[in-house]
Amino acid sequence: DAEITQSPRHKITETGRQVTLACHQTWNHNNMFWYRQDLGHGLRLIHYSYGVHDTNKGEVSDGYSVSRSNTEDLPLTLESAASSQTSVYFCASSESAAGGGYTFGSGTRLTVV
Amino acid sequence: AQSVTQLDSHVSVSEGTPVLLRCNYSSSYSPSLFWYVQHPNKGLQLLLKYTSAATLVKGINGFEAEFKKSETSFHLTKPSAHMSDAAEYFCVVTPVNQGGKLIFGQGTELSVKP
Repeated sequence: DAEITQSPRHKITETGRQVTLACHQTWNHNNMFWYRQDLGHGLRLIHYSYGVHDTNKGEVSDGYSVSRSNTEDLPLTLESAASSQTSVYFCASSESAAGGGYTFGSGTRLTVV
Repeated sequence: AQSVTQLDSHVSVSEGTPVLLRCNYSSSYSPSLFWYVQHPNKGLQLLLKYTSAATLVKGINGFEAEFKKSETSFHLTKPSAHMSDAAEYFCVVTPVNQGGKLIFGQGTELSVKP
């Protein structure tokens, strides 16, 4: 069965370190998205991609980067982790630009100490 | 700019009583609207979606929502709450011509008392 997986599930890192969160989907979806979830804010869009070599900034992109070298993967990199980036991160993919057919990963809980 | 406002951060009901979770949206055009549910320490699951086919939308687990353009609302209801409905619920809008990006409301935590 097709799926979307995130790794690791939990991560603790130190301030200033570079961290990469993995997202891998086997739906063959062109659209992939990274969101962060914080109390009182719902989910907010960090970066997104509509296909290989395409990346775009979302609402809260400062301090984050992504790259899309193939259809299946959209890794999210925190270039220099800050305590404000402690959050739960969700990756998603979709088949439609109309917003239908979204599939979410199980999330990565990142703690920056 | 498109936005979503969930009017209650927390709703508490007794098992077997009706559930109402309120959501208002702001959009210049007819948007696509969704309700997602998130159980503790889990990912997000789609409950239902509105894409202009019918104003009353039925979803999974007995939930439904009605799109009311005149009131810019998309409230989620269920006739009879079950203990397993306790979770966080998100109202979500996808603006037209925004490439499938989702805009989330702040979330409503539903508690169900026995």
